[in-house]
Amino acid sequence: QVTLKESGPVLVKPTETLTLTCTVSGFSLSNARMGVSWIRQPPGKALEWLAHIFSNDEKSYSTSLKSRLTISKDTSKSQVVLTMTNMDPVDTATYYCARILRWGFLEWLPDYWGQGTLVTVSS
Amino acid sequence: DIVMTQTPLSSPVTLGQPASISCRSSQSLVHSDGNTYLSWLQQRPGQPPRLLIYKISNRFSGVPDRFSGSGAGTDFTLKISRVEAEDVGVYYCMQATQFPSWTFGQGTKVEIK
Repeated sequence: QVTLKESGPVLVKPTETLTLTCTVSGFSLSNARMGVSWIRQPPGKALEWLAHIFSNDEKSYSTSLKSRLTISKDTSKSQVVLTMTNMDPVDTATYYCARILRWGFLEWLPDYWGQGTLVTVSS
Repeated sequence: DIVMTQTPLSSPVTLGQPASISCRSSQSLVHSDGNTYLSWLQQRPGQPPRLLIYKISNRFSGVPDRFSGSGAGTDFTLKISRVEAEDVGVYYCMQATQFPSWTFGQGTKVEIK
């Protein structure tokens, strides 16, 4: 059974760095057909893709947030970590991690999602 | 970045009646490999998103056949043939033609009249 679970602080202060962990089970982060993505959703608003990480440790970031994001993984712990620097109240959102599955030569699909974790940025 | 625009933003529907959601991209989603990487996701209240449709019209595993996708180029449609109570939620289109970048539409809320 594939599961993903996000964890991290509920509240962060402006200018602080956010660190979120996605702990996965039911699949290996070393599987070449699988990766993990982070997506966020401000309250009542749309989804926004943040980053991907693949089994070969290749990483991709949202152009608009690239300077603030770092994604990494610890395969032995089955964890993917996302850090976001210089947090601002507009970064208040539910942060989701999702498994992405290689479905075709160029196609990766988000087939399993965590329940998400709400992060509020406030002083 | 490609901008995805959905209409309507809200769609009140009678149970058993059809629903239709449109999604338009700011540029063609046809990839150089000939495929169009347009997906639809469903987000039920209080739940994470769930993949429904990929490459315009392919239903993902376990998705009921009352959901169908169509379109080409920059214009796409998700249809629910007969809305059921469990279909209430927000639906998002998502482009992956510019993978690794993904962009989502603003979402369309489907609710029961």
